[in-house]
Amino acid sequence: AQKITQTQPGMFVQEKEAVTLDCTYDTSDQSYGLFWYKQPSSGEMIFLIYQGSYDEQNATEGRYSLNFQKARKSANLVISASQLGDSAMYFCAMRVRDDKIIFGKGTRLHILP
Amino acid sequence: ETGVTQSPTHLIKTRGQQVTLRCSSQSGHNTVSWYQQALGQGPQFIFQYYREEENGRGNFPPRFSGLQFPNYSSELNVNALELDDSALYLCASSSRVTGANEKLFFGSGTQLSVL
Repeated sequence: AQKITQTQPGMFVQEKEAVTLDCTYDTSDQSYGLFWYKQPSSGEMIFLIYQGSYDEQNATEGRYSLNFQKARKSANLVISASQLGDSAMYFCAMRVRDDKIIFGKGTRLHILP
Repeated sequence: ETGVTQSPTHLIKTRGQQVTLRCSSQSGHNTVSWYQQALGQGPQFIFQYYREEENGRGNFPPRFSGLQFPNYSSELNVNALELDDSALYLCASSSRVTGANEKLFFGSGTQLSVL
């Protein structure tokens, strides 16, 4: 079965601290892609970072990095130096062979001043 | 801003009615996909259109149908609305290149309420 699991429904983090959002995935495909999206209260899904299954290096995009552990099937998002504007829902997603994108249930992140 | 626009932003319908949601994809993008996001859940894949043909479908009944036009804009049609169809409907566009990182650009969604 193809599935994304995000086990943290909500997190509270102090501003300027680093935060790790957990994501595990399940697929039998050899080729797949992993994404993280941010969804503020406005509803729009904002692309943050991408990791291909064959990429050997962990992806980084500014303050975002993806801790990709293929053997453990995990793709955790790390946000360094969190800011108040980082408060939002965060979704881990996976693209599989038939181009379908599967999303997890999300983690609501609250950054505290 | 992604350049993907959806209309209307909000819609209220009654059970049994039909609804059409619209999406204009980002310039240069040839693929459009639709997602249903129920309150408190992650988006669920409905279907995807590539070059005006359906190219992949999630676990949604046939009363969910779509179209893609030559300018790559798209419509989502839902017939015989049910209360459980109340959700945020998201449209995403992308430029499909085999083997490439297919980054999805989402619109802000249409909030559908079925009474």
